Amino acid sequence: AQSVTQPDIHITVSEGASLELRCNYSYGATPYLFWYVQSPGQGLQLLLKYFSGDTLVQGIKGFEAEFKRSQSSFNLRKPSVHWSDAAEYFCALTSGGGADGLTFGKGTHLIIQP
Amino acid sequence: DAGVIQSPRHEVTEMGQEVTLRCKPISGHDYLFWYRQTMMRGLELLIYFNNNVPIDDSGMPEDRFSAKMPNASFSTLKIQPSEPRDSAVYFCASSRFNEQFFGPGTRLTVL
Repeated sequence: AQSVTQPDIHITVSEGASLELRCNYSYGATPYLFWYVQSPGQGLQLLLKYFSGDTLVQGIKGFEAEFKRSQSSFNLRKPSVHWSDAAEYFCALTSGGGADGLTFGKGTHLIIQP
Repeated sequence: DAGVIQSPRHEVTEMGQEVTLRCKPISGHDYLFWYRQTMMRGLELLIYFNNNVPIDDSGMPEDRFSAKMPNASFSTLKIQPSEPRDSAVYFCASSRFNEQFFGPGTRLTVL
């Protein structure tokens, strides 16, 4: 069975500091991987996705993520966070065909300190 | 495009009542998904459709839950009878070419 693990439930970062959110997955082949962001009371917005090719993918709002097959990881990074980045972040995967539902991690709550 | 539209945004009902959640996907999308979000279980896939046909309903918790997609622009998720443990945020998402777009969700509270 496929699964996604986000080891950090909460992360606190100072504004202007760099950020890395961890995501590990379990899947028998190369999955399609996604990062979504959810602000309080809102739906989920796609930050970036990895299907194949270049393992470093760029997304919206200055985020990037790197796919590492050897570590079964897809960590999200941002060089300098802004107070508006405070939100819940979800890593998700779907099967290689992509036409399946998403399997989500439990999420990481990002807190930005002034 | 207006994005995925869900109604109502909030629903408060009493145990035993029937609840119907509605979703309008993005025009041209051929997949539609229903998810549920709770504190305890996180985001879970309930069911998804391709070209209006249910493909996988293994995530539907029990027979009290049913979903339909009578046409390409409308889907419903029905709970009958509702129970307090059904309280959650229910999201609808649609996709074409593997990228899912989510609606704002319906927050359901069953008293």
